[in-house]
Amino acid sequence: EPEVTQTPSHQVTQMGQEVILRCVPISNHLYFYWYRQILGQKVEFLVSFYNNEISEKSEIFDDQFSVERPDGSNFTLKIRSTKLEDSAMYFCASLLTNEQFFGPGTRLTVL
Amino acid sequence: SQQGEEDPQALSIQEGENATMNCSYKTSINNLQWYRQNSGRGLVHLILIRSNEREKHSGRLRVTLDTSKKSSSLLITASRAADTASYFCATDINDYKLSFGAGTTVTVRA
Repeated sequence: EPEVTQTPSHQVTQMGQEVILRCVPISNHLYFYWYRQILGQKVEFLVSFYNNEISEKSEIFDDQFSVERPDGSNFTLKIRSTKLEDSAMYFCASLLTNEQFFGPGTRLTVL
Repeated sequence: SQQGEEDPQALSIQEGENATMNCSYKTSINNLQWYRQNSGRGLVHLILIRSNEREKHSGRLRVTLDTSKKSSSLLITASRAADTASYFCATDINDYKLSFGAGTTVTVRA
């Protein structure tokens, strides 16, 4: 069964450093998403991406965040200058019709 | 305001018992979805119910949707230890994002 994959599974970084979280969505899916979940809290929508551009973004997705689909398979989330409060699980998801398929997540720890 | 608020926050049951959790939301939806998350892991899609459906079954799962009350319930029948997880409802307002609730943590005791 096709699945969304994410790398790395765990990323540790120093405050102020740039990180890139990578996702490979399911190949025939058209919509792509990033969500995050701070430990013990709700899963929060960050951004959606369709037709090579951002469809919608939340208030969390400020100028420090960017997304890219550099080729036909990868979908990346970049955080330019990480803050302590960026520590969270980051989930990528992709969608064809109605159901969003989630990846296993990347745990980002900012020290 | 947040969509998809679940209750109870936590539920502890004996193996073999049924578990019921509820979700309320605030605005009109296209569909409502339930996800499971094992501790520290990813989200597993369980079931999707469209706004024009009232009930849906999948294995030991039964989901109801009452759009007049803006609420949904998830019933897990004959629970097993492996059902221990957090369960989230998520509302799909448009094609672009899901809004998740805080979740119900279910513990199934052997």
